Amino acid sequence: EVQLVQSGAEVKKPGESLKISCKGSGYSFTSYWIGWVRQMPGKGLEWMGIIYPGDSDTRYSPSFQGQVTISADKSISTAYLQWSSLKASDTAMYYCARLYGEAAFDIWGQGTMVTVSS
Amino acid sequence: EIVLTQSPATLSLSPGERATLSCRASQGVSSYLAWYQQKPGQAPRLLIYDASNRATGIPARFSGSGPGTDFTLTISSLEPEDFAVYYCQQRSNWHGITFGQGTRLEIK
Repeated sequence: EVQLVQSGAEVKKPGESLKISCKGSGYSFTSYWIGWVRQMPGKGLEWMGIIYPGDSDTRYSPSFQGQVTISADKSISTAYLQWSSLKASDTAMYYCARLYGEAAFDIWGQGTMVTVSS
Repeated sequence: EIVLTQSPATLSLSPGERATLSCRASQGVSSYLAWYQQKPGQAPRLLIYDASNRATGIPARFSGSGPGTDFTLTISSLEPEDFAVYYCQQRSNWHGITFGQGTRLEIK
């Protein structure tokens, strides 16, 4: 079965760092782009960036450039999203998703809820 | 950045009725447009890719049209499980990926 499994929910304080993960299985992890999508409470979907695990080519949305870092470890079929200093406004559900073909996310992780509160 | 504008924001219909959801792009996106369905507490699910191709396992009552700047998702006869939020999404080489703001399809 093709799937993406994300790490569990996190509760952090402002200023703390965080790295969440997304592990792929059931397909060639290095052959598909993986994207990250933010969904703030009660809001819509926002694209953050994508990475090609085969060569770690990474593209960011202008809205998230410099705010987060996307990486991947192809040896363990895992992509990551990290923050160096969290803010309360980073509170959201974060999804990873596999990019199919040119432009569609066909497989989604279950989401990781990140709560940032003092 | 390419902006996707979805309309209406909310659509109220009854089971059995036909639903037409619109997604307008601020500039041409060729056929690189997808539609997703999201239910409360769930991850989005891909319905349509490349403007008009149904994803695996998606019922035939879902159809999409394009390409260009005006795209439509049509649900021919609404089933109770179709009431959800729908998003369009595009990808372009120069402008990256963007989502529309969503259309909420609710039971009338």
